[in-house]
Amino acid sequence: GAVVSQHPSWVICKSGTSVKIECRSLDFQATTMFWYRQFPKQSLMLMATSNEGSKATYEQGVEKDKFLINHASLTLSTLTVTSAHPEDSSFYICSARGAVYEQYFGPGTRLTVT
Amino acid sequence: DQQVKQNSPSLSVQEGRISILNCDYTNSMFDYFLWYKKYPAEGPTFLISISSIKDKNEDGRFTVFLNKSAKHLSLHIVPSQPGDSAVYFCAASGEGDMRFGAGTRLTVKP
Repeated sequence: GAVVSQHPSWVICKSGTSVKIECRSLDFQATTMFWYRQFPKQSLMLMATSNEGSKATYEQGVEKDKFLINHASLTLSTLTVTSAHPEDSSFYICSARGAVYEQYFGPGTRLTVT
Repeated sequence: DQQVKQNSPSLSVQEGRISILNCDYTNSMFDYFLWYKKYPAEGPTFLISISSIKDKNEDGRFTVFLNKSAKHLSLHIVPSQPGDSAVYFCAASGEGDMRFGAGTRLTVKP
């Protein structure tokens, strides 16, 4: 199946700093990318949907100024957590969808804010 | 607003027996349904899907059943194997986005 990568796989940052997470579709062009957040023992929560070249659509309750999403190309989307706080610590997962209906997920990024 | 529900947080079955994971949805606009398998600290991997025009889709040991009138789908794994132990998410898609259930942790005992 299609491959989606995320970088970094885990990151520790201090409160108040910003951290960028990259999501790449390696063998297909992703017209749409999604960012999810997963809390321990909970489901995946959709944060935002981004289409290449346009602004991301954020889900209700997700602060767009805090979670900056850029989908500048058909193979790359980035999520920047700005002014991170300990409550932002979570597992962030991206997924990508191209011509086929299925979404392919990245391996996830574990963010710990100290 | 939980549009996709997996009411069983966990399920334990014996190796070789059938595992049945259930999922209910509320939005009648959903027209495509998927099951994902997830191991800890990894992204979900696609398992099997079904379009709303079908009521059954089979792939090896995995079969997904869809009952549109009841807004219910289920995943059958037979025979279950210890390597199937994971969290299973059902997902429903329609009008461009996808909603996930809370997941069911399946444990297959040797």
